[in-house]
Amino acid sequence: KNQVEQSPQSLIILEGKNCTLQCNYTVSPFSNLRWYKQDTGRGPVSLTIMTFSENTKSNGRYTATLDADTKQSSLHITASQLSDSASYICVVTQSYNTDKLIFGTGTRLQVFP
Amino acid sequence: NAGVTQTPKFQVLKTGQSMTLQCAQDMNHEYMSWYRQDPGMGLRLIHYSVGAGITDQGEVPNGYNVSRSTTEDFPLRLLSAAPSQTSVYFCASTGGAYNEQFFGPGTRLTVL
Repeated sequence: KNQVEQSPQSLIILEGKNCTLQCNYTVSPFSNLRWYKQDTGRGPVSLTIMTFSENTKSNGRYTATLDADTKQSSLHITASQLSDSASYICVVTQSYNTDKLIFGTGTRLQVFP
Repeated sequence: NAGVTQTPKFQVLKTGQSMTLQCAQDMNHEYMSWYRQDPGMGLRLIHYSVGAGITDQGEVPNGYNVSRSTTEDFPLRLLSAAPSQTSVYFCASTGGAYNEQFFGPGTRLTVL
């Protein structure tokens, strides 16, 4: 079954600390993996998109890694800020005749001062 | 560019009522889609369209209709609202080098 599982479900950290969010997937055939940030009451916003051949991609303080062999990805947030409080969603694209996006349930991150 | 816009932002319906959720994009993308987001679940695809005049069903299409008369607009119609359709609805437009998805701000729908 094609699934995307994220951990932890929720996370609380202090401002300025680093954190890493995990994403494991069983989607096949794989096309790409995306990380989205979703602020409360808003739509998801793309952070990174990685294809099979890419194993790391950065967007400011956000760095995503991809291990296509173990089907794992991580999102590392450096020097967290209060504005990083949001849900982070991992999405894997399955590619057959048309692309199908498989969404994880997200990690809820709260950053406290 | 406004990106993807959705109206209304909030809506309360009674069981059996019908309504249309509006979605528009100004990025000239061919591919548009509708998702619903429920607590503890990932976003689920309701319907999608690969261009004007072409629509297809997603993962959870029952109880919803769509049409795509123009590239810009992709309305979602609830035929006869049910409490199970209480959810947050997101419209998305897909395009660019990596087929990036751009989501609208969402419509929070409550069916009593």
